[in-house]
Amino acid sequence: GIQVEQSPPDLILQEGANSTLRCNFSDSVNNLQWFHQNPWGQLINLFYIPSGTKQNGRLSATTVATERYSLLYISSSQTTDSGVYFCAVRDGKIIFGKGTRLHILP
Amino acid sequence: GAVVSQHPSRVICKSGTSVKIECRSLDFQATTMFWYRQFPKQSLMLMATSNEGSKATYEQGVEKDKFLINHASLTLSTLTVTSAHPEDSSFYICSASTSGGISDTQYFGPGTRLTVL
Repeated sequence: GIQVEQSPPDLILQEGANSTLRCNFSDSVNNLQWFHQNPWGQLINLFYIPSGTKQNGRLSATTVATERYSLLYISSSQTTDSGVYFCAVRDGKIIFGKGTRLHILP
Repeated sequence: GAVVSQHPSRVICKSGTSVKIECRSLDFQATTMFWYRQFPKQSLMLMATSNEGSKATYEQGVEKDKFLINHASLTLSTLTVTSAHPEDSSFYICSASTSGGISDTQYFGPGTRLTVL
């Protein structure tokens, strides 16, 4: 099946910093999503982005399907951005990466 | 809109008992619901997919008789962990979508933390 790898596994940043999270996938997909899991466990959809670029406030995402990767950009980080960011692809079923654990320091 | 609730949010039970977790879509009809399991600091693992009115489809390695799933209506799915044991302790998350299509948005519940003593 498709392998989904995320990097870095952990990231600690000062409030106000920018960050880039990466998701690599091993095969062609036509479905890629980014999620944020807050410290209490709630998952929130961020982007459905099989290709191209999307922006939502301080967050944006770019997927280059031909090169099998996606990037999530977080600008001007806030403490509320802390949590785990997952990318997921669908290969029949949804396959999640292992996530990037982000901790924003005040 | 698109709120999914789970009940209970946390449960502690003795080994050998059964635990039922409810997943409800509050303001939309969920044709398809998904059940995930997440161990501490791990990713989400899909356990099963359920469609209203039909039997759930379980992922490889998930015991059907241990994790009973019932999708009784378009707004309710239940997961029953039968004869729970300490190794079943985990964070269980449900999600719901309106069609389960490849680009259909999944809305996640807040999760249920199960601890089996």
